[in-house]
Amino acid sequence: DTGVSQNPRHKITKRGQNVTFRCDPISEHNRLYWYRQTLGQGPEFLTYFQNEAQLEKSRLLSDRFSAERPKGSFSTLEIQRTEQGDSAMYLCASSRDRNYGYTFGSGTRLTVV
Amino acid sequence: ELKVEQNPLFLSMQEGKNYTIYCNYSTTSDRLYWYRQDPGKSLESLFVLLSNGAVKQEGRLMASLDTKARLSTLHITAAVHDLSATYFCAVDNSRSQGNLIFGKGTKLSVKP
Repeated sequence: DTGVSQNPRHKITKRGQNVTFRCDPISEHNRLYWYRQTLGQGPEFLTYFQNEAQLEKSRLLSDRFSAERPKGSFSTLEIQRTEQGDSAMYLCASSRDRNYGYTFGSGTRLTVV
Repeated sequence: ELKVEQNPLFLSMQEGKNYTIYCNYSTTSDRLYWYRQDPGKSLESLFVLLSNGAVKQEGRLMASLDTKARLSTLHITAAVHDLSATYFCAVDNSRSQGNLIFGKGTKLSVKP
């Protein structure tokens, strides 16, 4: 069990560029979540996968955001035409079962300049 | 809409003192989680509380859940500097597939 892995750790991009983040969950966890955290706030839910199916999306997930989990293993989160308001820490979490809790990755810190 | 409120948001303690952080939530939920976050780091799971009356303890931290009052507490006993961090409670949004609704966090600073 190597934990939830996220890459890259940091990303600085110019406004208007596209960015993609990757999350590798714990191998036996079939549930995968993306959250966004801004400074001084708690994480906010973005989207949820069970295996390869994206079962839920938050209203926060505008049409510039897309997430995939093609084979039910790793997941990617893409942000198109980035805006300064997208600057945040993007956290991935995985879970085997809600009763066992959720394991969070170290996050990808995005800065849009 | 499920809302989660923590208080206090900031807490400065002296080493050796006791204190309690409160987490109130607005609608029915039977799962509550406590996390710790150090600056610039991710969230570390502390406790998973699954039923009314649940109490869990780890070292100087003890968490409890009262689902009828929609209240969870995180009690700190004889605080030490290493406990300085931000503590989040999160409630399972049972209306969905289980996404978590987080409070704003309590930033704890333990001073000698």
